[in-house]
Amino acid sequence: QLQLQESGPGLVRPSETLSLSCSVSGDSIRSIDYYWAWVRQTPGKGLEWIGGVYYSGSTHDNPSLKSRVTVSIDTSQNQFFLKMTSVTAEDTAIYFCARMDSRSSATPLDHWGPGTRVTVSS
Amino acid sequence: DVLVTQSPPSLSASVGDSVTITCRASQDIRDYLNWYQQKPGKAPNLLIYGASRLQRGAPSRFSGRGFGTDFTLTISSLQPEDFATYYCQQSSGTPITFGPGTRLDNK
Repeated sequence: QLQLQESGPGLVRPSETLSLSCSVSGDSIRSIDYYWAWVRQTPGKGLEWIGGVYYSGSTHDNPSLKSRVTVSIDTSQNQFFLKMTSVTAEDTAIYFCARMDSRSSATPLDHWGPGTRVTVSS
Repeated sequence: DVLVTQSPPSLSASVGDSVTITCRASQDIRDYLNWYQQKPGKAPNLLIYGASRLQRGAPSRFSGRGFGTDFTLTISSLQPEDFATYYCQQSSGTPITFGPGTRLDNK
């Protein structure tokens, strides 16, 4: 059974870099059928897609985050990663990693991690 | 960006009722529309993908319709475990965007 699990610090200081990992178990991350994504959730902005990465390393991110985001993948470790630079209080959120099924043209997010709460504060 | 709106923002209903939630996209997204259920403290859970396809494991009382800009999610014969928040999400363009959610409460 596929499982995703986020990990990383729960507190990040303003202007510093947020770094999260997502460990995937139960299936190989090295698949042409899936895309690996980060989504965050805040009370104010709701669910926001941050970006994602394919097994080959090709990525897409949300232009609204103004190039602060890097998503990467390590297929040997079955993990993918999020780095977000220059964080502010507005980046305080619950961060989810998720799998997107690219076999469907609607590319649904069909498996999610439980989420990790990140607070940006000094 | 494709803007996605939902109505109503909240809804009260009783066990056994049938309810419908509407999602509208700001431009034609064909059937690149997915629906999720989220309960407090949990991650969203995929119910419907491609506007009308029931995700494996999702109960058959959930159904989706629509194409282009207007979509609906219907829950027939509400069960106690269905009280939750529902989100639609479009994947026609980058960035992927979500609707603001519809909270379904027990009347």
